[in-house]
Amino acid sequence: SAVISQKPSRDICQRGTSLTIQCQVDSQVTMMFWYRQQPGQSLTLIATANQGSEATYESGFVIDKFPISRPNLTFSTLTVSNMSPEDSSIYLCSVFSTTINYGYTFGSGTRLTVV
Amino acid sequence: DQQVKQNSPSLSVQEGRISILNCDYTNSMFDYFLWYKKYPAEGPTFLISISSIKDKNEDGRFTVFLNKSAKHLSLHIVPSQPGDSAVYFCAASVGGNTPLVFGKGTRLSVIA
Repeated sequence: SAVISQKPSRDICQRGTSLTIQCQVDSQVTMMFWYRQQPGQSLTLIATANQGSEATYESGFVIDKFPISRPNLTFSTLTVSNMSPEDSSIYLCSVFSTTINYGYTFGSGTRLTVV
Repeated sequence: DQQVKQNSPSLSVQEGRISILNCDYTNSMFDYFLWYKKYPAEGPTFLISISSIKDKNEDGRFTVFLNKSAKHLSLHIVPSQPGDSAVYFCAASVGGNTPLVFGKGTRLSVIA
């Protein structure tokens, strides 16, 4: 089954700066999904990243704030730009793969704190 | 508008007893449902899933029941163990290669 390596696992950042989160999958996957989990909340979809095309963003999320790259079928990055304390969350990537018997797997998450 | 709802934010159960976690959904297009367990510093860990063509799926101590007419599913854990203490998320999808929609989670505490 697909294994996702997500980096960094945590970071503390100054407001106004940007952080890029990386996800590397050990097999080729068509779709990668990026989620955010704010403290005490559910996992909310930020965007869906397809290789070779622009990411599709959910309502409330914009490309300027959360630019995503998907250069190939095994890798994606999410950047959290111009950060404010409200961006303090756990960010997770996920993939769907037919090699996983239940379809979906997740990275271990990036715990971001903005001070 | 929440398409997947977990109305109990927390549940406390004694060790050895049954834990029942509930989930309701509103989108009739959902055809695949999953339960995940999550610890604070980790990504969600898959527990069990069920397709809409079934009404029950069992895996060891975990059983998921699906009632499509009521748009309701539940996760039963028997017997509950202290290591089961975590936040449990119900999730649903409309098909493969589409993103999961999550409920808000239920924090289960199993007391020894």
